[in-house]
Amino acid sequence: QVQLGQSGAAVKEPGASVRVSCRISGYTFTNYYIHWVRQAPGQGLEWMALINPGGHTTLYTQKLQGRGTVTMDTTTSTINLDLSSLRSDDTAVYYCARESHSGTYSFDYWGQGTLVTVSS
Amino acid sequence: QSVLTQPPSASGTPGQRVTISCSGSNSNIGSNSVNWYLQLPGTAPKLLIYSNNQRPSGVPDRFSGSKSGTSASLAISGLQSEDEADYYCATWDDSLTVVVFGGGTKLTVL
Repeated sequence: QVQLGQSGAAVKEPGASVRVSCRISGYTFTNYYIHWVRQAPGQGLEWMALINPGGHTTLYTQKLQGRGTVTMDTTTSTINLDLSSLRSDDTAVYYCARESHSGTYSFDYWGQGTLVTVSS
Repeated sequence: QSVLTQPPSASGTPGQRVTISCSGSNSNIGSNSVNWYLQLPGTAPKLLIYSNNQRPSGVPDRFSGSKSGTSASLAISGLQSEDEADYYCATWDDSLTVVVFGGGTKLTVL
């Protein structure tokens, strides 16, 4: 079955960097776009980025101001979100999600979420 | 403030029909299809409706979606206690070139 398994929680100091990983199984890795969505404590959902594993293309929200990078490892079917120059307002649960139907931006499978806490 | 506007809360009694609205603009809902998600506390969101009115397999037909112009709605009929959750609408925004979400609606089953 389709599974998106994410890395564990992380606690980082302001200014540091973090990597959140999303390991994919149960389908052909390159056939579906993967998106990153975050949710600050008690807040709504916020879209961060996407990657097309088949075309190696990425797209980011301008709100990241160049601090985010999405990469992939085809040997392990893993998608990584790297976030640098962390700030307190980056504290959130980060989800990876699969786009179910190309062009619909609808997400049918989600990872379990990774809590990133930025605190001194 | 979210790009898509949802009421912060909604409520109903078991068996009732409730609707949740989602208002946007020409660059998002007016130009693209709308998706709806349900989120229970401490869990990842779950896709309820995609492409305005399509249900993924396994989603009961009590859930339905519609879109008109720059607004969309999610309707839940035969309300059940397990429907108590947060609901989010989402779509692509052509101007911002991002996926935009509504602020979420907390549904309470009285």
